[in-house]
Amino acid sequence: NAGVTQTPKFRILKIGQSMTLQCTQDMNHNYMYWYRQDPGMGLKLIYYSVGAGITDKGEVPNGYNVSRSTTEDFPLRLELAAPSQTSVYFCASSYEGSNYGYTFGSGTRLTVV
Amino acid sequence: AQSVTQLGSHVSVSEGALVLLRCNYSSSVPPYLFWYVQYPNQGLQLLLKYTSAATLVKGINGFEAEFKKSETSFHLTKPSAHMSDAAEYFCAVSDSGAQKLVFGQGTRLTINP
Repeated sequence: NAGVTQTPKFRILKIGQSMTLQCTQDMNHNYMYWYRQDPGMGLKLIYYSVGAGITDKGEVPNGYNVSRSTTEDFPLRLELAAPSQTSVYFCASSYEGSNYGYTFGSGTRLTVV
Repeated sequence: AQSVTQLGSHVSVSEGALVLLRCNYSSSVPPYLFWYVQYPNQGLQLLLKYTSAATLVKGINGFEAEFKKSETSFHLTKPSAHMSDAAEYFCAVSDSGAQKLVFGQGTRLTINP
């Protein structure tokens, strides 16, 4: 049982490049989330999904896009990377919403130079 | 809207001393509350959660937290700190729609030998 798997673990992007952060879970969870973590700022919600085909914006969605075509996968797309997107990104999932808590992936450390 | 405030971005204690990490919440409905731990270069791991069953909640690694409605607090404690407890700790509250968690800014715990 792998839980939540994120790839890649590390990535360096140049300003203006694009990339997709992958997230997959094998627990049949309906809810999936993308957070970014910046030092001293806690975790900020970027996007979330309550099921396949349904996504919604969080606190800091600008510069990002998501899709949810299957229950298992929830990729995060960065278009035109900017230095402000340098951060650690965490994907998480939950069985029936946030009252049950989350299972987190191990994170992707992204640097934009 | 729900919110969480963690008092103290950095707490330092001696090995064997009491650990106390403070968390206050704001919620318009009976809250679901969580403590997560993040070890260096890892994802977040659930320590414990409050779901209204009991006000004193026991978690992993000897940690516990007490829900105090009158003080809107959910402080995390451990009677005797161990070097392996050095990590960052996050308090979180489930939003009223039970769709997402709102995190505090985190408290970094340092253990002195």
